[in-house]
Amino acid sequence: KQEVTQIPAALSVPEGENLVLNCSFTDSAIYNLQWFRQDPGKGLTSLLLIQSSQREQTSGRLNASLDKSSGRSTLYIAASQPGDSATYLCAGISSGSARQLTFGSGTQLTVLP
Amino acid sequence: DTAVSQTPKYLVTQMGNDKSIKCEQNLGHDTMYWYKQDSKKFLKIMFSYNNKELIINETVPNRFSPKSPDKAHLNLHINSLELGDSAVYFCASSQKAPSGTSGDTQYFGPGTRLTVL
Repeated sequence: KQEVTQIPAALSVPEGENLVLNCSFTDSAIYNLQWFRQDPGKGLTSLLLIQSSQREQTSGRLNASLDKSSGRSTLYIAASQPGDSATYLCAGISSGSARQLTFGSGTQLTVLP
Repeated sequence: DTAVSQTPKYLVTQMGNDKSIKCEQNLGHDTMYWYKQDSKKFLKIMFSYNNKELIINETVPNRFSPKSPDKAHLNLHINSLELGDSAVYFCASSQKAPSGTSGDTQYFGPGTRLTVL
């Protein structure tokens, strides 16, 4: 059964810094991995999805990588801004028709102005 | 033009009551989901439907019953509400697609915060 872990649980950085959020998963037969952003009291916004055949995906200042052999994914945020403050969740999608997402517990990011 | 919508946004009720949460998606997706986010913010799948057919049913009390009248709607009915049912419930949808495409991206609704007193 897939388990997803995110470390650290919380991260605080000054504005302008580049940062990396980490996600690890136990089942290397992962189908794909999705990164989400959740703002307080809001739903989840999909940021990036990496297929199992891909190694990375980029969108603007965000870059997500996937290393199935080591069971790790990272989300790189360049030139962080206060508006990036949110909880970032990674979720692994299992193989098969169910497309079931298994979530990590999230990293709460605060970017200080 | 909200993609995935849920009603109500907030639901406060007494223990023992029966309540429903509605979800609708206008994305034309085949698959819909219900997730529960507990007080520790941990999100966990409850149910998944594909074209009105149940395909995931995690270990959830049978007081929870999903109903999908058509593939654009997946409602969640909860009987005999308990204090531990207090959480935020999220609906999501995705397009069932062949492997190697981006169709697995799941789109989430805004959530329904359920408080059981």
